[in-house]
Amino acid sequence: GAGVSQSPRYKVAKRGQDVALRCDPISGHVSLFWYQQALGQGPEFLTYFQNEAQLDKSGLPSDRFFAERPEGSVSTLKIQRTQQEDSAVYLCASSLARTGDTEAFFGQGTRLTVV
Amino acid sequence: KQEVTQIPAALSVPEGENLVLNCSFTDSAIYNLQWFRQDPGKGLTSLLLIQSSQREQTSGRLNASLDKSSGRSTLYIAASQPGDSATYLCAVKGLTNAGKSTFGDGTTLTVKP
Repeated sequence: GAGVSQSPRYKVAKRGQDVALRCDPISGHVSLFWYQQALGQGPEFLTYFQNEAQLDKSGLPSDRFFAERPEGSVSTLKIQRTQQEDSAVYLCASSLARTGDTEAFFGQGTRLTVV
Repeated sequence: KQEVTQIPAALSVPEGENLVLNCSFTDSAIYNLQWFRQDPGKGLTSLLLIQSSQREQTSGRLNASLDKSSGRSTLYIAASQPGDSATYLCAVKGLTNAGKSTFGDGTTLTVKP
């Protein structure tokens, strides 16, 4: 596709439910990033993949959060036993190169509301 | 730990005015700095990317400057239009962890017709 695609756009989950958020990066992009954005704040880093390798997961807030990119393309962010504090917009971004000097392109995000 | 601050948090200007948005960061060991625009309920749209070796980048009515030594970047918008109304975010990518960008909380701009 032309840009980074995320699905679903909106997700309402009952507290304790597991959710899975999908990201389709721009074709050929090596690097993929997940960010969490609370209302009125800038995005906060969650995790980073280079192809299928998860090189940095230091931003994942707890062991309830898990991300994978098994074939180096599509990525899934999974949140187990959702809590109200998990409510946020989850943004995915991709960039062309392995190095840090290329432009990052963001998807529209998935707005997660935990009730 | 890198910290990014954007001032002001909100700005309202009349149409046609030139304006400057500010971004400051605490660690000058950066790979690059990127400016984004975010419309309500939308994702981020990349505006300009400045590499650490560059001093400025221009795209249309937008000009971004970078002073790495002082930890500052500015985004200059010329002849503002109501369609420029959005939140503007800056993001810094550090040398020690090139996979991670640190964002400011943004400046919300309103351009009044």
